[in-house]
Amino acid sequence: DVKVTQSSRYLVKRTGEKVFLECVQDMDHENMFWYRQDPGLGLRLIYFSYDVKMKEKGDIPEGYSVSREKKERFSLILESASTNQTSMYLCASSFATVEQYFGPGTRLTVT
Amino acid sequence: TQLLEQSPQFLSIQEGENLTVYCNSSSVFSSLQWYRQEPGEGPVLLVTVVTGGEVKKLKRLTFQFGDARKDSSLHITAAQPGDTGLYLCAGNPISGNTPLVFGKGTRLSVIA
Repeated sequence: DVKVTQSSRYLVKRTGEKVFLECVQDMDHENMFWYRQDPGLGLRLIYFSYDVKMKEKGDIPEGYSVSREKKERFSLILESASTNQTSMYLCASSFATVEQYFGPGTRLTVT
Repeated sequence: TQLLEQSPQFLSIQEGENLTVYCNSSSVFSSLQWYRQEPGEGPVLLVTVVTGGEVKKLKRLTFQFGDARKDSSLHITAAQPGDTGLYLCAGNPISGNTPLVFGKGTRLSVIA
């Protein structure tokens, strides 16, 4: 059974804090993705990675960075959290570019 | 930029009714996926359709890929409260090695 886990289900941070969101997959997938999901805006791609130490910008990378030091782990970093980064963050992995498997999500609130 | 438009955005129906939701684009996709997302959870893959005109069935759910591979539909027969959720379609661009394009979803509520 495929599994993608995210480090926290709920997170509350203060404005200006550095925030780390961790994602781990156990399927030996090459590709990993970070999305944010907001009402009315759907899923928006932040960053993705097709291999270890590789990263590509998605549609909304501003204010975020990522790290992929190991194949199974993809971290999303908010360098200085702001209130407009309050959102649901979803991590996904895939073998090819299709059929993504999602984690349960992290609901981040920045106050 | 490739877009996938889903309609309707919201749908509220009684248990036992039938419904169809649509996913449309002006672009051609090499395949298309449907996901269901329950509140507070991540999307879960339901099906992938690959061939133009393909029809796949998953119990009471019927998925169809348009002949031109630009659109898709999801039909639910005799909806049940357990079908409640956000239904997302996602297309795999022809260009290859490009991330999936997601629609914004149809939020379905089935009332007992």
